Amino acid sequence: EAGVAQSPRYKIIEKRQSVAFWCNPISGHATLYWYQQILGQGPKLLIQFQNNGVVDDSQLPKDRFSAERLKGVDSTLKIQPAKLEDSAVYLCASSLRQGYGYTFGSGTRLTVV
Amino acid sequence: AQSVTQLGSHVSVSEGALVLLRCNYSSSVPPYLFWYVQYPNQGLQLLLKYTSAATLVKGINGFEAEFKKSETSFHLTKPSAHMSDAAEYFCAVRPIIQGAQKLVFGQGTRLTINP
Repeated sequence: EAGVAQSPRYKIIEKRQSVAFWCNPISGHATLYWYQQILGQGPKLLIQFQNNGVVDDSQLPKDRFSAERLKGVDSTLKIQPAKLEDSAVYLCASSLRQGYGYTFGSGTRLTVV
Repeated sequence: AQSVTQLGSHVSVSEGALVLLRCNYSSSVPPYLFWYVQYPNQGLQLLLKYTSAATLVKGINGFEAEFKKSETSFHLTKPSAHMSDAAEYFCAVRPIIQGAQKLVFGQGTRLTINP
């Protein structure tokens, strides 16, 4: 089966610019997660979708971050405006049902200069 | 909130030596526990998981972990290290109660293998 696809792999932007990341989960996986992994730290959950509804976005900085999963399949994560501290790897994961059998994508490495 | 603590951000062993990566969890009820590996510029790959069945869990690539409730630990071991084991390892916890279905990760341990 195809894995979780993410694009782009790398992105460099200046602070205050906007950026968007895309994730296509494994076919049939109802749950989709976006994690932020800052260098030297473990991944931190930003937002969790069940189909096209948000289950948990308690750690999403909503003043600058937004995410959507309109048709319950692929998802986009946006940052506007970016700050230096947003430099991180953004990982997307999906699972057949909540909390089970996560599959991670390769991530998007964002550098804000 | 449930969490995991990984003791040692960096572990270095010789090829062929025992690998021991430590993980302790904080929870009043034993949760589900996981170990993931991350190779450079890649996503996370599941090594093994504990879901309240056998306390000794065997995973891929010769790794295993033992759940010890009395010590609130889930340490990862491999009898003989291989050069290809060099990577970042993450312990993660997921509560088994309803409504809390997300993985919470530790800070990670970077494993270096010396020839």
